[in-house]
Amino acid sequence: GAVVSQHPSWVICKSGTSVKIECRSLDFQATTMFWYRQFPKQSLMLMATSNEGSKATYEQGVEKDKFLINHASLTLSTLTVTSAHPEDSSFYICSGTGGGSNQPQHFGDGTRLSIL
Amino acid sequence: AQSVAQPEDQVNVAEGNPLTVKCTYSVSGNPYLFWYVQYPNRGLQFLLKYITGDNLVKGSYGFEAEFNKSQTSFHLKKPSALVSDSALYFCAVRPLGTTDSWGKLQFGAGTQVVVTP
Repeated sequence: GAVVSQHPSWVICKSGTSVKIECRSLDFQATTMFWYRQFPKQSLMLMATSNEGSKATYEQGVEKDKFLINHASLTLSTLTVTSAHPEDSSFYICSGTGGGSNQPQHFGDGTRLSIL
Repeated sequence: AQSVAQPEDQVNVAEGNPLTVKCTYSVSGNPYLFWYVQYPNRGLQFLLKYITGDNLVKGSYGFEAEFNKSQTSFHLKKPSALVSDSALYFCAVRPLGTTDSWGKLQFGAGTQVVVTP
């Protein structure tokens, strides 16, 4: 149980384009979803937290106009990287939790984003 | 301020030997503690958690962890390592009694485990 599906798993695109990443909770309702960025051989860096139906809360230093997050339903959150540039290339991972402070976050398999 | 430390970048162990991955934490209040494992180009998989109660927590794939409040540690252990256990392991903490919003986790830097045949 507690499966999170993240798509696409890998995307390559030209500089200046926008890329949308989807994160779906398949067998639970994710009241809260998190978006992370991970650089090679490093830990996860939290970008933002979103609750269903509310605006996302961004971590310090994360540009909310660059990384648009939508959490329109209890099973779907999207991250759009707008006008992507090579420095946005990274591994992006989403996670969801069904609520309750003692519940673990369940992670998607990540999206490898490469901007040429 | 809360923090999680994984003092070892990499742990090497021979297959069949015991495996220990260290984690210490510093938080205000009582923490919830988690271990996750990450395989290459994949997301994180939940292994186990400590919330309250017995200090020895058993999790997935034969892993267990021991919560030690006096030493503020939560080391991950497996009695007999497998080659397939080779992966990146993350310790994470969620502090309680704070205004922490929506259960955010603080992750350690990760420890690469290499199990040799």
